[in-house]
Amino acid sequence: DTGVSQDPRHKITKRGQNVTFRCDPISEHNRLYWYRQTLGQGPEFLTYFQNEAQLEKSRLLSDRFSAERPKGSFSTLEIQRTEQGDSAMYLCASSQEWREIDEQYFGPGTRLTVT
Amino acid sequence: TQLLEQSPQFLSIQEGENLTVYCNSSSVFSSLQWYRQEPGEGPVLLVTVVTGGEVKKLKRLTFQFGDARKDSSLHITAAQPGDTGLYLCAATTPTNAGKSTFGDGTTLTVKP
Repeated sequence: DTGVSQDPRHKITKRGQNVTFRCDPISEHNRLYWYRQTLGQGPEFLTYFQNEAQLEKSRLLSDRFSAERPKGSFSTLEIQRTEQGDSAMYLCASSQEWREIDEQYFGPGTRLTVT
Repeated sequence: TQLLEQSPQFLSIQEGENLTVYCNSSSVFSSLQWYRQEPGEGPVLLVTVVTGGEVKKLKRLTFQFGDARKDSSLHITAAQPGDTGLYLCAATTPTNAGKSTFGDGTTLTVKP
């Protein structure tokens, strides 16, 4: 297994455009997380899936953000009508939670720049 | 309110020095992870601690979990420039269904 992969690594878009990011988790992991990270901060939780079910979505997440994980495998994160404040690193992680031990394995991230 | 408080926020030292960074909370943790993140990359898992008082060593890194499972420390001996990065702690608690919460990290710079 090659670990968690994300595509694209970098995305530059104009304000108002829609963007979609993809994450492929480690195959045997049942949990998949999306985070947003800005410079000097820790990862900020956006949402997570257990298999194909979206179990939690951050209150900070506006309606412009949506995530899917069809068939419990890869996931996509879409941002509609992007704003400059959406510029950040978007991280995906996967884990196989067991007895409240949640070791997350991260992908390399997608760097979004909104101009 | 931040569940996990990491300190110091920034640390700049010379190669060869020792250092300790901390992760604290008022909540009891079920488990705690430490990660290291380099610029432009995702965090990389270093260690998981579960038992109060547990000490784990990874080469020059020593991780300790507090007896009450509310705090943890990471000690680096003889720091090297390759240790430079953002050190993050993340923890699960009995109330958050096994989902980790991250601190804001300590940014470490080791100068040659």
